[in-house]
Amino acid sequence: KNEVEQSPQNLTAQEGEFITINCSYSVGISALHWLQQHPGGGIVSLFMLSSGKKKHGRLIATINIQEKHSSLHITASHPRDSAVYICAVGGGGSNYKLTFGKGTLLTVNP
Amino acid sequence: SQTIHQWPATLVQPVGSPLSLECTVEGTSNPNLYWYRQAAGRGLQLLFYSVGIGQISSEVPQNLSASRPQDRQFILSSKKLLLSDSGFYLCAWSVRLMYGYTFGSGTRLTVV
Repeated sequence: KNEVEQSPQNLTAQEGEFITINCSYSVGISALHWLQQHPGGGIVSLFMLSSGKKKHGRLIATINIQEKHSSLHITASHPRDSAVYICAVGGGGSNYKLTFGKGTLLTVNP
Repeated sequence: SQTIHQWPATLVQPVGSPLSLECTVEGTSNPNLYWYRQAAGRGLQLLFYSVGIGQISSEVPQNLSASRPQDRQFILSSKKLLLSDSGFYLCAWSVRLMYGYTFGSGTRLTVV
């Protein structure tokens, strides 16, 4: 069974700061997902990574398959980025089940 | 376009009452379907998944059951709710052998 660890658990930043959230996992995977959960609970998929790096707007996600580690970066953070960010990994196969980290609560103050 | 509908958004039920949460997917066929639960202070946990009509796999022993009566319909049920069933329930789908995931908006269930 894959163990997914995220750090930090809680993160408070000032608007404009560069944010990094880390995720490590214990077993090799087919893909890693970064998700965003707002206070209402709905989850939005931000990135899906199998290797390398992806960028979308102010968000950047990287993955190091050998080290079993991924990072989510937010440049020029804004209060609307405040949310829980969740890392999830999938082992592949026809059913493709995900194992989730506990999430990182990010609060960006104006 | 592909969408996923989950309802209701919020539910308060007494202990011992039945439960039925429904999830439907549009714009795709033969998806993998999943029910996840997020208990307070914990990460999302897979409850059930289905790779086809009538095919249900359970990940954890529990008071709940799932059914897939149609290709794009996934139902989570309980005959008698327990206090410990409270939580946030998410439906999701993925395309077989591909890794993209789409989540529903979730149902917040409070058992009182």
